[in-house]
Amino acid sequence: SQTIHQWPATLVQPVGSPLSLECTVEGTSNPNLYWYRQAAGRGLQLLFYSVGIGQISSEVPQNLSASRPQDRQFILSSKKLLLSDSGFYLCAWISGADTQYFGPGTRLTVL
Amino acid sequence: AQKVTQAQTEISVVEKEDVTLDCVYETRDTTYYLFWYKQPPSGELVFLIRRNSFDEQNEISGRYSWNFQKSTSSFNFTITASQVVDSAVYFCALNTGGFKTIFGAGTRLFVKA
Repeated sequence: SQTIHQWPATLVQPVGSPLSLECTVEGTSNPNLYWYRQAAGRGLQLLFYSVGIGQISSEVPQNLSASRPQDRQFILSSKKLLLSDSGFYLCAWISGADTQYFGPGTRLTVL
Repeated sequence: AQKVTQAQTEISVVEKEDVTLDCVYETRDTTYYLFWYKQPPSGELVFLIRRNSFDEQNEISGRYSWNFQKSTSSFNFTITASQVVDSAVYFCALNTGGFKTIFGAGTRLFVKA
């Protein structure tokens, strides 16, 4: 069966510091991968998606970037965090039946 | 354009009451998929159901049931005899076979003991 991992689970970072969040999927190959952000009490905002190694599509221009160095690894990064980057970051992958499955999420607080 | 509307921002019920969460979608595609997800306080989105546009049969899973009506572009979710553990945010979503899934804004359900 497929499993999706995210780490870290929680993170507190100062404004201006760098960020690296990692997502890995097990039990499937060549998945479409997604990064979403959820501000407190809000809905899901799609940030990036990837259909293959090295292929990244950005939905929202901001100070975040994403990379996919391996088939089942998806990384979200920032060189300098802003206060507005605080939120709950969710990684997801999509199966052949178009169903998205989500990881446990990373709760980021920027102070 | 594709859109998912969950008009109910918050719903509060007392345990054992039945509750229906509304979802209205918009798409011009004839082939599409509809989903419901549950987000408990822990944060992880849990997949509940997937329905394709050619299958209008209602589905029941334990206390959960889903009513899909293409005529009104609705995919409503009913919880029968609600329990405190049902307290969560519920998201309805739409995928037309592409890379993106469109999510509604979510409905926060409070079930009081």
